[in-house]
Amino acid sequence: KAGVTQTPRYLIKTRGQQVTLSCSPISGHRSVSWYQQTPGQGLQFLFEYFSETQRNKGNFPGRFSGRQFSNSRSEMNVSTLELGDSALYLCASRYLSTSNEQFFGPGTRLTVL
Amino acid sequence: EDKVVQSPLSLVVHEGDTVTLNCSYEVTNFRSLLWYKQEKKAPTFLFMLTSSGIEKKSGRLSSILDKKELFSILNITATQTGDSAVYLCAVSNNNAGNMLTFGGGTRLMVKP
Repeated sequence: KAGVTQTPRYLIKTRGQQVTLSCSPISGHRSVSWYQQTPGQGLQFLFEYFSETQRNKGNFPGRFSGRQFSNSRSEMNVSTLELGDSALYLCASRYLSTSNEQFFGPGTRLTVL
Repeated sequence: EDKVVQSPLSLVVHEGDTVTLNCSYEVTNFRSLLWYKQEKKAPTFLFMLTSSGIEKKSGRLSSILDKKELFSILNITATQTGDSAVYLCAVSNNNAGNMLTFGGGTRLMVKP
């Protein structure tokens, strides 16, 4: 069974640009969560989607948004990029929304110059 | 606000040593505690704990939860260089859906 996949793996953008990251969950998993990981703040929850609906949102500005498609694939978008958005963005999927056993993808390393 | 604190921040041991990693937490409505191992990129799932006093074991790794004292430990016996990684502890609460709150991690280095 294939794991969680994320694309692209690496991305370099400049301040003010926007970026879209993609996550394909494990087959059959319907819940997708996004996390930001930085050396200073560690792993922080961004949002979770289940059945195309945002179920929960972390404490991030409105520049961070996401969506989920009917095939459970998810995208997250960051608009008006800032230097502080440089981070590893991790996506995690789970089978049921009530299951806490999350499986992480390899992440997208975003660098904002 | 949920909070997770891991200790020590980092640890250097030699192969064959036994290590104990600590995780303490404050959660408004505790649901579960999870341990992950992160080497290069993706954290890989180790254990999920929901009940106090029941040890979870996988090979040389084991973990236990104390819901009264609000902590968990992760033990690794007969450490190997391949155990070198950052170990992350996370908690979830029943009020916040499936959101995980992570601790800062313990960086373990195992020297040959």
